[in-house]
Amino acid sequence: DTAVSQTPKYLVTQMGNDKSIKCEQNLGHDTMYWYKQDSKKFLKIMFSYNNKELIINETVPNRFSPKSPDKAHLNLHINSLELGDSAVYFCASSLLAGGPDTQYFGPGTRLTVL
Amino acid sequence: DQQVKQNSPSLSVQEGRISILNCDYTNSMFDYFLWYKKYPAEGPTFLISISSIKDKNEDGRFTVFLNKSAKHLSLHIVPSQPGDSAVYFCAATSNYGGSQGNLIFGKGTKLSVKP
Repeated sequence: DTAVSQTPKYLVTQMGNDKSIKCEQNLGHDTMYWYKQDSKKFLKIMFSYNNKELIINETVPNRFSPKSPDKAHLNLHINSLELGDSAVYFCASSLLAGGPDTQYFGPGTRLTVL
Repeated sequence: DQQVKQNSPSLSVQEGRISILNCDYTNSMFDYFLWYKKYPAEGPTFLISISSIKDKNEDGRFTVFLNKSAKHLSLHIVPSQPGDSAVYFCAATSNYGGSQGNLIFGKGTKLSVKP
């Protein structure tokens, strides 16, 4: 009965590959997010998405794209992986859209690009 | 440009004593603040939050204080327990602007509570 789940937990791949990370929330929330925690341990927002709007952090390369098949899922697709993409990626969700609200995080996916 | 700063990367406290974790922010548009706790290999877990209309919020052993004029908030844990040992992240968000709702995190403070 995990609230926010991600798969896989670990992902090791070669440079240039395309990969996806899946996220599901069973909280009935309207908004989902992707965060990246880099080697310096900073947690930074990449995307926020609800049924109506995708907001992209301007620093995110367009090789990264979120895909939402339905309200409970927000998957992260990464094309042409680079060494610098190695990080821990966290999915999160919140009840409200477009306003301050508590976000609930998944366990993270550690991506290693070789 | 760090909008949320946690200047102490680590803090060590004796069990039973008070732990005080500090956080400063620069963006005056922030109006909602949260503390998250993170264990290794797990996602951040929501701990406590405070709206900018309040200056204190308490939940059990955890109290968050907000000083808007100083753009400063702190998390007090009393009494500290060994299970509280984790990394604590301060986060802020705003109801305004194009990125409303997105959390801006500090770098975290690693708390160690010694038995």
